Amino acid sequence: QSVLTQPPSVSGAPGQRVTISCTGSSSNIGAGYDVHWYQQLPGTAPKLLIYGNSNRPSGVPDRFSGSKSGTSASLAITGLQAEDEADYYCQSYDSSLVFGGGTKLTVL
Amino acid sequence: QVQLQESGPGLVKPSGTLSLTCAVSGGSISSSNWWSWVRQPPGKGLEWIGEIYHSGSTNYNPSLKSRVTISVDKSKNQFSLKLSSVTAADTAVYYCARETAAGTVLAFDIWGQGTMVTVSS
Repeated sequence: QSVLTQPPSVSGAPGQRVTISCTGSSSNIGAGYDVHWYQQLPGTAPKLLIYGNSNRPSGVPDRFSGSKSGTSASLAITGLQAEDEADYYCQSYDSSLVFGGGTKLTVL
Repeated sequence: QVQLQESGPGLVKPSGTLSLTCAVSGGSISSSNWWSWVRQPPGKGLEWIGEIYHSGSTNYNPSLKSRVTISVDKSKNQFSLKLSSVTAADTAVYYCARETAAGTVLAFDIWGQGTMVTVSS
């Protein structure tokens, strides 16, 4: 049971917009700690997707965006593509580094 | 371009000690980065195990702290993980990763490919 709560699964059709939430508390996100997001394609290592709540590393398409408000953060993916089908994890700090439980994105 | 490569036994007996090494290439382990171990049980999510700085300073996940030791070997440009008293619950893919400054929380910007470790007799 992670201190960062993500929905187990989300889905969307190609071209649509989906969002993935990461809900924390006053001891982590609400305490001002930044949130990072990772994409894990099947059978591969995670890849940094969003850092510092809303920044994209070089090479990450601008279809991916992040935001943070209060005790929660969100990852939005617009113009959904089949290749976006993956597991997504949020990460922050709560006395130690912590990950959310992960969300499986299915492209219908 | 920094690359990380995990190595170690893929099978460990229950109650034994899991030992893995992460070799850093394309860069120095003495850079201004922390270096971490993260694991992922089959079909489950990511769990941070602990981190080390080239000075030898470490931080561990409180839930694993009593069983974990992370060390660094600057001469070999690598760092290592030891997890003692393992059980089947420690069966997982183990990743090593580099942390980078990214605001108020370090982010994992470079990952190894991961190595599967099974705990079984």
